[in-house]
Amino acid sequence: DAEITQSPRHKITETGRQVTLACHQTWNHNNMFWYRQDLGHGLRLIHYSYGVQDTNKGEVSDGYSVSRSNTEDLPLTLESAASSQTSVYFCASSERSSGEAFFGQGTRLTVV
Amino acid sequence: GEDVEQSLFLSVREGDSSVINCTYTDSSSTYLYWYKQEPGAGLQLLTYIFSNMDMKQDQRLTVLLNKKDKHLSLRIADTQTGDSAIYFCADGGAAGNKLTFGGGTRVLVKP
Repeated sequence: DAEITQSPRHKITETGRQVTLACHQTWNHNNMFWYRQDLGHGLRLIHYSYGVQDTNKGEVSDGYSVSRSNTEDLPLTLESAASSQTSVYFCASSERSSGEAFFGQGTRLTVV
Repeated sequence: GEDVEQSLFLSVREGDSSVINCTYTDSSSTYLYWYKQEPGAGLQLLTYIFSNMDMKQDQRLTVLLNKKDKHLSLRIADTQTGDSAIYFCADGGAAGNKLTFGGGTRVLVKP
């Protein structure tokens, strides 16, 4: 069965370190998204991609970057982790013109 | 940017109907969505409605859309304890595929 997986599921890192969160989907979807979920804010879009070599900034992109070198993967990098980036991160994918997004299980990141 | 608002919390007795409300600001929205999140899990699509529709029914779920007031609601009939979760309203924007989420409504179903 097709799926979308995130790794790691939990991570603790120190302030200032570079961290990469992985997202891999086997749906062959063109669209991929990264969200962060915080209490009181729902899900906020960090970055998104509509295809290979395409990346776009979302609502809360400062301090984050992504790259899309193939259809299956959209890794999210925190260039220099800050305590404000402690959050639960969700990756999602969808068909080109559809809003039916399939979500990963999430990565809980703690920056100490 | 565009905004989506929801109430934070809803408590309902098992067997009653639940109604979750949502307002949005994007007048060019083509699709509006309802997602469900259970504890420790990602979001799962429940249902959606196209912007030229007023109502959509899908088993126990009824979606009502008032496009003039930019108001969306989700009614769950015969609410069960398994319906306890966080429900998110999402606006798909003009293209329908870049989702803006509300803050989520936590629904607690009491026996």
